[in-house]
Amino acid sequence: DAGVIQSPRHEVTEMGQEVTLRCKPISGHDYLFWYRQTMMRGLELLIYFNNNVPIDDSGMPEDRFSAKMPNASFSTLKIQPSEPRDSAVYFCASSQRTGPSYYEQYFGPGTRLTVT
Amino acid sequence: AQSVSQHNHHVILSEAASLELGCNYSYGGTVNLFWYVQYPGQHLQLLLKYFSGDPLVKGIKGFEAEFIKSKFSFNLRKPSVQWSDTAEYFCAVNLFGNEKLTFGTGTRLTIIP
Repeated sequence: DAGVIQSPRHEVTEMGQEVTLRCKPISGHDYLFWYRQTMMRGLELLIYFNNNVPIDDSGMPEDRFSAKMPNASFSTLKIQPSEPRDSAVYFCASSQRTGPSYYEQYFGPGTRLTVT
Repeated sequence: AQSVSQHNHHVILSEAASLELGCNYSYGGTVNLFWYVQYPGQHLQLLLKYFSGDPLVKGIKGFEAEFIKSKFSFNLRKPSVQWSDTAEYFCAVNLFGNEKLTFGTGTRLTIIP
């Protein structure tokens, strides 16, 4: 398996622009997580899905952030409009509830977002 | 509120030194415990995990961790570190039956050759 795939790996955009981050989880995993990592706040869970349904979005900072999972192999995190304080590394992770690696979250390589 | 504390923010050691990184959590109930490592420029990878049974768990690359329930701790250890262990280490906890992981703030480990 190729692991969790994220795109783009780097994104530089201007304040006010819309940003869309993409994630493809590991095939067969039924949980998908979006995290944000900054120096100031560390690793924060933004939202997670189970079987494509959002379960907990309490970490989403504000209405400018939205996430969707239209099918089991694809999710997006959108920021509109973007602000400089959104600059961070955004990680996607996936996991499954069954099997020997249950509860273990597999992380993607991350998207480094810079908003100028 | 539930939380995970890693009190060591930056640890600097020489090669072959022994390592212990602290992790404490404040959760009621049964927990699952994890240590993840993030090498420079890379994504997080699982080092080891504890669900139940023997409180001393062994992970990859010679790391181990001990769960002490009475102290709400899950400290990470390695008897002899290598330069390649330079990385950031994160402790994480979830409640049994809940997929949501709470991460500590991380400990940056620098190994001097």
